[in-house]
Amino acid sequence: DARVTQTPRDKVTEMGQEVTMRCQPILGHNTVFWYRQTMMQGLELLAYFRNRAPLDDSGMPKDRFSAEMPDATLATLKIQPSEPRDSAVYFCASGSGDTQETQYFGPGTRLLVL
Amino acid sequence: GQNIDQPTEMTATEGAIVQINCTYQTSGFNGLFWYQQHAGEAPTFLSYNVLDGLEEKGRFSSFLSRSKGYSYLLLKELQMKDSASYLCAVTPQTTDSWGKLQFGAGTQVVVTP
Repeated sequence: DARVTQTPRDKVTEMGQEVTMRCQPILGHNTVFWYRQTMMQGLELLAYFRNRAPLDDSGMPKDRFSAEMPDATLATLKIQPSEPRDSAVYFCASGSGDTQETQYFGPGTRLLVL
Repeated sequence: GQNIDQPTEMTATEGAIVQINCTYQTSGFNGLFWYQQHAGEAPTFLSYNVLDGLEEKGRFSSFLSRSKGYSYLLLKELQMKDSASYLCAVTPQTTDSWGKLQFGAGTQVVVTP
């Protein structure tokens, strides 16, 4: 049963601290997406990669957020320094890269910045 | 950019039918997805429409009219477990960004006994 995995599932931190979220896409999927979900803004695309290359990160605050794919089995999203307004659920999703591009979401990381 | 509208909440009785409408205004359009999201969980794929018409998948059906910028998701024989948020999402036209989904705010469906 192939699934996207994310760690940690929950993270509580203090303002100013660095936060790193990790995602393992489904084996064989070549597209990885990072989303943020809040009650006010809904589900927003932050960045995505195809074949480990960043395609679009226009949804991401560049000054504090960074996204990378060190290898095909790991994607990371870092926030440094974190702020209370970053509190949200962060989802990673992966897709096979075909034109339908059904995305399979991981369970999410629930982040609370105090 | 994309503007996607769907109702905030709908309530229906177990066993009934509910239709969730989604309208979109886009600068380019490739296809439309519907996702289901239970509270505290991740969105899960329900359906994908790229051509006009109705796609049926068990109790769920999805319809698309590209000329009208309109889609609906039809849930039949409602069950309590169908209580969830239903998200409409569109993909743009360019081949470089066909995976780039933009989501609507979601419609919260409440199924009552």
